[in-house]
Amino acid sequence: EVQLLESGGGLVQPGGSLRLSCAASGFTFSSYAMSWVRQAPGKGLEWVSAVVGGGDSTYYADSVKGRFSISRDNSKNTLYLQMNSLRAEDTAVYYCAKDNYAGMAPGRDAFDIWGQGTMVTVSS
Amino acid sequence: EIVLTQSPATLSLSPGERATLSCGASQSVSGNYLAWYQQKPGQAPRLLIYGASGRATDIPDRFSGSGSGTDFTLTISRLEPEDFAVYYCQQYGSSPQTFGQGTKVDIK
Repeated sequence: EVQLLESGGGLVQPGGSLRLSCAASGFTFSSYAMSWVRQAPGKGLEWVSAVVGGGDSTYYADSVKGRFSISRDNSKNTLYLQMNSLRAEDTAVYYCAKDNYAGMAPGRDAFDIWGQGTMVTVSS
Repeated sequence: EIVLTQSPATLSLSPGERATLSCGASQSVSGNYLAWYQQKPGQAPRLLIYGASGRATDIPDRFSGSGSGTDFTLTISRLEPEDFAVYYCQQYGSSPQTFGQGTKVDIK
């Protein structure tokens, strides 16, 4: 079964840092671009960041550029999101999501598999 | 960036009725790279349609997508009880990919 499982969310003070993880199983992880998508409480979906299958190219939304860093360890089938300088507006459920097709450039594909999400709350 | 506007914000219908959801783009969506997702409370989004009209794996054929350029439609031919949810469109033809604000389909 294809599955994504996020972890690492929690409560953090403004200006703090948090690292999210997403463990993948059931597919050839290294063949697919992966993304993080977030959803603020009661709001819609916002794409945050993406990384190519090999991990050597990364992409960010303007709202997180310079503060967040996406990476992956294909030997561990795991995706990461390092979040620094967190703000109240970063409060959201963070989902990792898999591209529908292998080998696509990030941002050029729909997401066919999503994790269950991990909640990040930025508050003093 | 391309702004997607979904209408209506809420659609109140009864089981068995036909639902028509619209997604309008501020610019033409390259390659008709438009997807639709269903999201139920407390759950992750679920891919329904990709490439404007391609049905994702295991999606019932009562769900269909159509449209091109700047105007896209998701149609649910006969609403089942499990179809009452929020639906989002997403364009992935231009960077950054963007989502609409959602249409809630609730029970009348």
